[in-house]
Amino acid sequence: SQQGEEDPQALSIQEGENATMNCSYKTSINNLQWYRQNSGRGLVHLILIRSNEREKHSGRLRVTLDTSKKSSSLLITASRAADTASYFCATDADTGFQKLVFGTGTRLLVSP
Amino acid sequence: KAGVTQTPRYLIKTRGQQVTLSCSPISGHRSVSWYQQTPGQGLQFLFEYFSETQRNKGNFPGRFSGRQFSNSRSEMNVSTLELGDSALYLCASSPLAAQETQYFGPGTRLLVL
Repeated sequence: SQQGEEDPQALSIQEGENATMNCSYKTSINNLQWYRQNSGRGLVHLILIRSNEREKHSGRLRVTLDTSKKSSSLLITASRAADTASYFCATDADTGFQKLVFGTGTRLLVSP
Repeated sequence: KAGVTQTPRYLIKTRGQQVTLSCSPISGHRSVSWYQQTPGQGLQFLFEYFSETQRNKGNFPGRFSGRQFSNSRSEMNVSTLELGDSALYLCASSPLAAQETQYFGPGTRLLVL
């Protein structure tokens, strides 16, 4: 079963524009993570935000977390063609917080 | 440090056969998790091993099994393959826990005919 639902399912933008993806989840969490996957390859960890944090930055990435709304957003600023990938949120929300549960993903296409 | 490696990268099997996939975690990582990724179901957690013990298991039938060796390398086995087992199988490692940052391998793409 999916814990997180990403929105939108797909996003198409031009290079230089910002891309915002949202993730909603259902139950309490300790942490929420974002991963990137390029075309059928392994996932790459982008950022982890803990439940007591509201915002985190890493390079061109900005992640926010609103535990009251059970939602998170990933902002990629000044997008590049190389950012084209699928982006997944993952939470540790499950019995005992002992595993990651991934969302459905957002497919991002950045055109030159 | 070398990343997570998975072998083989591609595999074609027929229904009813069994398959074994291998994963070598990052050196020093003791937690190894396996995921199945399909277009219809997305990324689904299969199981996690830590110090040769299965700590957690997803909602998959008993045909899916795994093990971990003393050097933290892990294998997963699928017996009596079904067409629906066609998927990308991803292995991920972390130092201690499956719910912390996961470092993924490139995956094994399995096609069942």
